[in-house]
Amino acid sequence: AQTVTQSQPEMSVQEAETVTLSCTYDTSENNYYLFWYKQPPSRQMILVIRQEAYKQQNATENRFSVNFQKAAKSFSLKISDSQLGDTAMYFCAFQGAQKLVFGQGTRLTINP
Amino acid sequence: EAGVVQSPRYKIIEKKQPVAFWCNPISGHNTLYWYLQNLGQGPELLIRYENEEAVDDSQLPKDRFSAERLKGVDSTLKIQPAELGDSAVYLCASSPEQGEGYNEQFFGPGTRLTVL
Repeated sequence: AQTVTQSQPEMSVQEAETVTLSCTYDTSENNYYLFWYKQPPSRQMILVIRQEAYKQQNATENRFSVNFQKAAKSFSLKISDSQLGDTAMYFCAFQGAQKLVFGQGTRLTINP
Repeated sequence: EAGVVQSPRYKIIEKKQPVAFWCNPISGHNTLYWYLQNLGQGPELLIRYENEEAVDDSQLPKDRFSAERLKGVDSTLKIQPAELGDSAVYLCASSPEQGEGYNEQFFGPGTRLTVL
């Protein structure tokens, strides 16, 4: 079974700083997708960024980028120029041939 | 485009009472998911529908939980009877394609259930 591990329960940075959230996963599959979801206090899960495992190029969405290391089964999220609105729970998720599996989440706080 | 709609947003009930949650997926999405999210944890899949067929309900506690998706659109998730440990957020999600399972899931705002 696939597992997703987020080793940072909480992180806190100052506004405008850069922050990196870690994620590792375990799978024997070769084709899969990886996601980072954001969940603010409103509880709405919002997709931040996705990465197809067959693509070597790291995905980027504006201030959000990933460092995908397939051999190491690592998928970190970098948030540049962090904003107060980035404060939320962030979940890393893996989807292979079966269901979407989430990590335990990292609570990120952006301080003014 | 309207997102996934869930109701109610909050529900408080006494233990042993029944409760039901409703989900309306994004129009045209044939795959619907129900997730359980305990406090401080990531969501866990309860059941997945492709149209009106439940294709993965292996994690659904069938002694007290049931779900249906009549006509392959709206879905309801029921708990009867509710237990204290059922207090959690119940999330519904939908996706536009199914087969390979590599597609984005769109989530609703969830229902926060409190069992007293």
